Amino acid sequence: DAGVTQSPTHLIKTRGQHVTLRCSPISGHKSVSWYQQVLGQGPQFIFQYYEKEERGRGNFPDRFSARQFPNYSSELNVNALLLGDSALYLCASSSLPGPSNHEKLFFGSGTQLSVL
Amino acid sequence: AQSVTQPDIHITVSEGASLELRCNYSYGATPYLFWYVQSPGQGLQLLLKYFSGDTLVQGIKGFEAEFKRSQSSFNLRKPSVHWSDAAEYFCAVGATGTASKLTFGTGTRLQVTL
Repeated sequence: DAGVTQSPTHLIKTRGQHVTLRCSPISGHKSVSWYQQVLGQGPQFIFQYYEKEERGRGNFPDRFSARQFPNYSSELNVNALLLGDSALYLCASSSLPGPSNHEKLFFGSGTQLSVL
Repeated sequence: AQSVTQPDIHITVSEGASLELRCNYSYGATPYLFWYVQSPGQGLQLLLKYFSGDTLVQGIKGFEAEFKRSQSSFNLRKPSVHWSDAAEYFCAVGATGTASKLTFGTGTRLQVTL
């Protein structure tokens, strides 16, 4: 079975531009979460979606938005890019919206975004 | 709000030596605790997790971690390190009710010398 897939793997943008990152969860997983990992830091939670509804939002500006499609894939959009948006963006999928002793997040390899 | 502290930014150990990576958390209730490993250019792989029960948790690749409520710690250990264990290790805490929302520490980079 395929894991979490993200596209593109690398992306270079300039300040002020807009970017769309894509994520396909593991088959059967209905929850997708997005994390931002700045170089030298741990991942930071951006959004969680379950069944196409936003279930959680981290401390990020409104320039960041996301959505989830009927097939449970997801897009993360960032408008008016800043240099500080340069980071590895990780997508994770899960089969449940909340905690379970038997569940865990499955992470993709990420999209490396460079803003020049 | 929950937080995680990994006091060691970088650790170097010899292959075959034992390893302990430190993690301290701050959370008001019983936490969900995780250790993830990240190799260069890769996503995160779950090593082990603690939700409740036995405070000594066994994970993959020979890793274990011990939850100590009195010390707010969840240290990761391995009795004998292999060169392939060189990577970045992240401790994370999940809030009850929203386990998919994890708060990560800043990570510890492990270097293994031969």
